[in-house]
Amino acid sequence: QVQLVQSGSELKKPGASVKVSCKASGYTFTSYAMNWVRQAPGQGLEWMGWINTNTGNPTYAQGFTGRFVFSLDTSVSTAYLQISSLKAEDTAVYYCARGVLNWFDPWGQGTLVTVSS
Amino acid sequence: EIVLTQSPATLSLSPGERATLSCRASQSVSSYLAWYQQKPGQAPRLLIYDASNRATGIPARFSGSGSGTDFTLTISSLEPEDFAVYYCQQRSNWPPCSFGQGTKLEIK
Repeated sequence: QVQLVQSGSELKKPGASVKVSCKASGYTFTSYAMNWVRQAPGQGLEWMGWINTNTGNPTYAQGFTGRFVFSLDTSVSTAYLQISSLKAEDTAVYYCARGVLNWFDPWGQGTLVTVSS
Repeated sequence: EIVLTQSPATLSLSPGERATLSCRASQSVSSYLAWYQQKPGQAPRLLIYDASNRATGIPARFSGSGSGTDFTLTISSLEPEDFAVYYCQQRSNWPPCSFGQGTKLEIK
């Protein structure tokens, strides 16, 4: 079955970096885009952008440029989200989600990133 | 930027009742609207896409309607497992896309 499995929770200090992975299985990885969505504690969903898994070309939403980087390793069907210069307000659950005609299905289980000194 | 406004913020109903959730767009999104369900501690799940098409495996009690700026998600008869937060999403001017702020469906 189609599945996205994300890496585990992370606790980081302000100013550090974090890299979240999203491993896909059950389908041809390069046939579908991969999206990233943020959910701050107790808040709604915020689209961060997407990456073309064929070309590796990323597109970032407003507010997610500069410190956020999407990347791929197609040899292991895995997408990555790297966040640098972490701030307390980056504390959130980060989801990857496969893009099917630009709808999101399925989603990874989420990765909690906590930024605290 | 297209803003989606969901109402009500919280809906309190009993199992067996009919639920009607609303999503209004700040400008027309044609039929490019989806609904997602999110249970506590879980990832969202796609329920409805293109305003009225049920995603694979979604029970028939879930239905979506609307076009342009006004959309509705209807759950015909609530099951205990349906109590969750529901989000609408538009992709009319992809990219970007945007989500509504969510409606919490709680047990009365």
